[in-house]
Amino acid sequence: AQKITQTQPGMFVQEKEAVTLDCTYDTSDPSYGLFWYKQPSSGEMIFLIYQGSYDQQNATEGRYSLNFQKARKSANLVISASQLGDSAMYFCAMRGQGAQKLVFGQGTRLTINP
Amino acid sequence: GAVVSQHPSWVICKSGTSVKIECRSLDFQATTMFWYRQFPKQSLMLMATSNEGSKATYEQGVEKDKFLINHASLTLSTLTVTSAHPEDSSFYICSAEVLAGGTYEQYFGPGTRLTVT
Repeated sequence: AQKITQTQPGMFVQEKEAVTLDCTYDTSDPSYGLFWYKQPSSGEMIFLIYQGSYDQQNATEGRYSLNFQKARKSANLVISASQLGDSAMYFCAMRGQGAQKLVFGQGTRLTINP
Repeated sequence: GAVVSQHPSWVICKSGTSVKIECRSLDFQATTMFWYRQFPKQSLMLMATSNEGSKATYEQGVEKDKFLINHASLTLSTLTVTSAHPEDSSFYICSAEVLAGGTYEQYFGPGTRLTVT
């Protein structure tokens, strides 16, 4: 079984600063995928970034990067140069080998202060 | 690309009535769709996995007779909440799976907020 843990219920960051959202996972699968989603107050889930367990390099997508430390089973999301529009809930999720479904963490509410 | 729509975006119904929520993939075909439920300030909980042309696979603890899922085409899945009660009030989100860049990614609909009075 897969498990995702997000230990930060809330984060407050000043605009333009970088922020790291923590995510640790637990799985016995040799191959798996890790995802980050953003959920603004409107409710839609926005896909941000994906990291495969066998990817040699950390994933990056614009201002988003994933700090993947396989030995520590962590997949932290880094947002550079934060903007007011980054305020939202952020969910880390995982899909195990051969599995279709995603397992989500409890989420972190990020608030960007002007 | 990879746009998923849901209808309605919000609905208020009386206790005992049934409500149907539609999930559509607008610009791609999705053999697999997923239905989630989210309570306020909580994470998404998977209710069921819906494969086109076959019966949905429900997660443990989800009543399949209460939450009817139909996936009649590659672009449409429906969730019907039968005999709704106030405890069924929640945010329901669907997602559709698509193969992108060598991996399967889920794209989510905007959600449907159900309030049962």
